[in-house]
Amino acid sequence: GQQLNQSPQSMFIQEGEDVSMNCTSSSIFNTWLWYKQDPGEGPVLLIALYKAGELTSNGRLTAQFGITRKDSFLNISASIPSDVGIYFCAGYYQNTDKLIFGTGTRLQVFP
Amino acid sequence: SQTIHQWPATLVQPVGSPLSLECTVEGTSNPNLYWYRQAAGRGLQLLFYSVGIGQISSEVPQNLSASRPQDRQFILSSKKLLLSDSGFYLCAYETGVVEKLFFGSGTQLSVL
Repeated sequence: GQQLNQSPQSMFIQEGEDVSMNCTSSSIFNTWLWYKQDPGEGPVLLIALYKAGELTSNGRLTAQFGITRKDSFLNISASIPSDVGIYFCAGYYQNTDKLIFGTGTRLQVFP
Repeated sequence: SQTIHQWPATLVQPVGSPLSLECTVEGTSNPNLYWYRQAAGRGLQLLFYSVGIGQISSEVPQNLSASRPQDRQFILSSKKLLLSDSGFYLCAYETGVVEKLFFGSGTQLSVL
């Protein structure tokens, strides 16, 4: 089946640093979603992208829908301790209504 | 506004006992409903999805079943739990108007 390759698997950064993570696939996706999951909680939707090349921000978070429609990027600027968690990308694969999730990026922020 | 409720938050059950997890959605009608399972520190595995009352699609063969007795109610069940059923279970919905999936707060199931 289709799968999304998410990288990096984990990140350990200093507070104040910027963070970048990405999701790639060999297939074309219609929609890209980015989620954050805190321990013991359900994932929370951060940003949704619907058009190739689209760049959308949510506070310190910025995500982009890759121009090839096969990838997406999430950037976090000036990280703070509450950014800690697991970030998942997800995409609706072309011509289906099923959402496919990436394997997640675990982010740790040190003061 | 739309909300999703999932309970219980935590459950400890002995092997061989039955299971019933419930999920309800408010503020929308005819949502698509989903059950996911997440092993510790891992990604999300789709178990079941439903596009309407009584319509259930299973993604993986397993010891679990799902039912949708009402438009906004989704239930995950098992007749006899196995140790391997332990995990974090998440209910989710989408309205079908826009492609966005919203999750409940999850149930941590421990089978001992």
